[in-house]
Amino acid sequence: DGGITQSPKYLFRKEGQNVTLSCEQNLNHDAMYWYRQDPGQGLRLIYYSQIVNDFQKGDIAEGYSVSREKKESFPLTVTSAQKNPTAFYLCASSIAGLAGGPGTDTQYFGPGTRLTVL
Amino acid sequence: GDSVTQMEGPVTLSEEAFLTINCTYTATGYPSLFWYVQYPGEGLQLLLKATKADDKGSNKGFEATYRKETTSFHLEKGSVQVSDSAVYFCALHADGLTFGKGTHLIIQP
Repeated sequence: DGGITQSPKYLFRKEGQNVTLSCEQNLNHDAMYWYRQDPGQGLRLIYYSQIVNDFQKGDIAEGYSVSREKKESFPLTVTSAQKNPTAFYLCASSIAGLAGGPGTDTQYFGPGTRLTVL
Repeated sequence: GDSVTQMEGPVTLSEEAFLTINCTYTATGYPSLFWYVQYPGEGLQLLLKATKADDKGSNKGFEATYRKETTSFHLEKGSVQVSDSAVYFCALHADGLTFGKGTHLIIQP
């Protein structure tokens, strides 16, 4: 089955620790994205990658880092510099990047990871 | 910049009622428009989309028409079910994907 997987579903972290969230897709999509969802605020873009070995900051990149060494994988690291890391994190992918036209711009989402800082 | 405005929730309806969730947008150019649905504890699923003016997207009994003259993409369903209870997000794609804040829909039996 093609799709996007995120692991783990729930993650607990002590303050001051870095933690990495996994996102894998087998849809052969070029572009991948990370969003953060907080209650009542919708989704906010953290980072995105339109091609392997390249990525750009989104609206709220501070305290986060990413890598894109393989087309299928786009892990997100939440660093200790992120002041309010407790949130629901969603990964998505699309055929083409942000400048893609109709038919290539639809984003498909993973099931999400809920991160709680203790 | 681009923006999407949705009606505030929660919206509570009885089963078999008619549903409308309003969505308006501001954007330069000709964006694609989307509705996504999020069930509790899950990621977002694409519900429907429209890529140009007057297009109608439809899926699972839901419909939305791309109205350029009113910059709107309202979501409608003729008869809702308890299983439709979820959070619905309107979104547009221009230079990037911009989401509304979501509308929590509660359907009571």
